[in-house]
Amino acid sequence: EPEVTQTPSHQVTQMGQEVILRCVPISNHLYFYWYRQILGQKVEFLVSFYNNEISEKSEIFDDQFSVERPDGSNFTLKIRSTKLEDSAMYFCASSRDRQATNEKLFFGSGTQLSVL
Amino acid sequence: AQTVTQSQPEMSVQEAETVTLSCTYDTSESNYYLFWYKQPPSRQMILVIRQEAYKQQNATENRFSVNFQKAAKSFSLKISDSQLGDTAMYFCAFMKRSGGGADGLTFGKGTHLIIQP
Repeated sequence: EPEVTQTPSHQVTQMGQEVILRCVPISNHLYFYWYRQILGQKVEFLVSFYNNEISEKSEIFDDQFSVERPDGSNFTLKIRSTKLEDSAMYFCASSRDRQATNEKLFFGSGTQLSVL
Repeated sequence: AQTVTQSQPEMSVQEAETVTLSCTYDTSESNYYLFWYKQPPSRQMILVIRQEAYKQQNATENRFSVNFQKAAKSFSLKISDSQLGDTAMYFCAFMKRSGGGADGLTFGKGTHLIIQP
């Protein structure tokens, strides 16, 4: 089965630094998502991306965050000036069509971000 | 805004037994989708089953089935003949069916299911 690939699996950064989390969605997929899960809490939607622009974003996704599809294969999440509370598992996901149709949403294995 | 509530933080059953995980939700939307996701210790999110709100028939996928009660806004997951590999966190999720764009999922807090040998 095709996979969504996320790198790195674990990233450690100092508070105030910028981090970029990388994802390679499945090649023929058109919709891309970022979710996060703080340890012991529920998974939270951050942003969706389609046709090279943000389609929907949650309240969490403020000016500190940005997303980009720089080269047609990668999908990145940039977090500027990281804070301790940004420590979480960040999941990338993709689907060929809108998630609620016959195509299912594929999740990556996540990047565990630790802000010290 | 939508909310999803899973009232069972943890459940434990013996292998081969049947177990039901509860989920309720609150929404003013009339068209939406409901999902159950499994998160094993590897923490990868895996879709278990999906239900479209406009369909009255309950979805089934092999040993997994749902009891969808739209009026009560209830969406429980039944796992039959439970297996050790079913041990995981299970998340109930909601997604509204909007006119365009790519919509995000609203998740519940999860139920930790433990299958005992």
